[in-house]
Amino acid sequence: KNQVEQSPQSLIILEGKNCTLQCNYTVSPFSNLRWYKQDTGRGPVSLTIMTFSENTKSNGRYTATLDADTKQSSLHITASQLSDSASYICVVSARSNYQLIWGAGTKLIIKP
Amino acid sequence: NAGVMQNPRHLVRRRGQEARLRCSPMKGHSHVYWYRQLPEEGLKFMVYLQKENIIDESGMPKERFSAEFPKEGPSILRIQQVVRGDSAAYFCASSPSVGRTTYEQYFGPGTRLTVT
Repeated sequence: KNQVEQSPQSLIILEGKNCTLQCNYTVSPFSNLRWYKQDTGRGPVSLTIMTFSENTKSNGRYTATLDADTKQSSLHITASQLSDSASYICVVSARSNYQLIWGAGTKLIIKP
Repeated sequence: NAGVMQNPRHLVRRRGQEARLRCSPMKGHSHVYWYRQLPEEGLKFMVYLQKENIIDESGMPKERFSAEFPKEGPSILRIQQVVRGDSAAYFCASSPSVGRTTYEQYFGPGTRLTVT
């Protein structure tokens, strides 16, 4: 069964600190993995997309890694800001290309 | 270039009524996807449409739910005889032609449906 699991479920850190969110997946055949940020009451916004051959990808203070062998990904946020408070969702695409398997997300709260 | 637009943003319906949710994709996008998100849960795929065609409706409940994307006008997700369990946020996304391996889906702000 295609699944995406994220940890932790929620995380509270102080402004300025770094954090790492984890994603494990069992989607097969794998096409690509995305990280989305979803602010409360808003639609998801894409942060990164990685294919099988990509190990790491950065978008500003966000850096995603992918280990296709162990089927794990992480999202590292550097120097967190209050505006980073949101849910971060790991999404894996099967090779059918439009079917996206969504994780439940990690709820990140940044405190001043 | 306006993003994906959804309306209404909030919709309240009594049990048994019909709900119609609208989605206007980004300019130039001919592919539309509908997702449902229950509180504290991830998004669940419902249906994928191109203009005038339903490509994949495997995530849509067999009864009461229907979707269309006409040649002209927005995509419509229609829920007949709503029940309390239909209360959720419904998100629409659009993408350009699915020609690349890593196409992007752009999401609208969602419609929050509350069934009383």
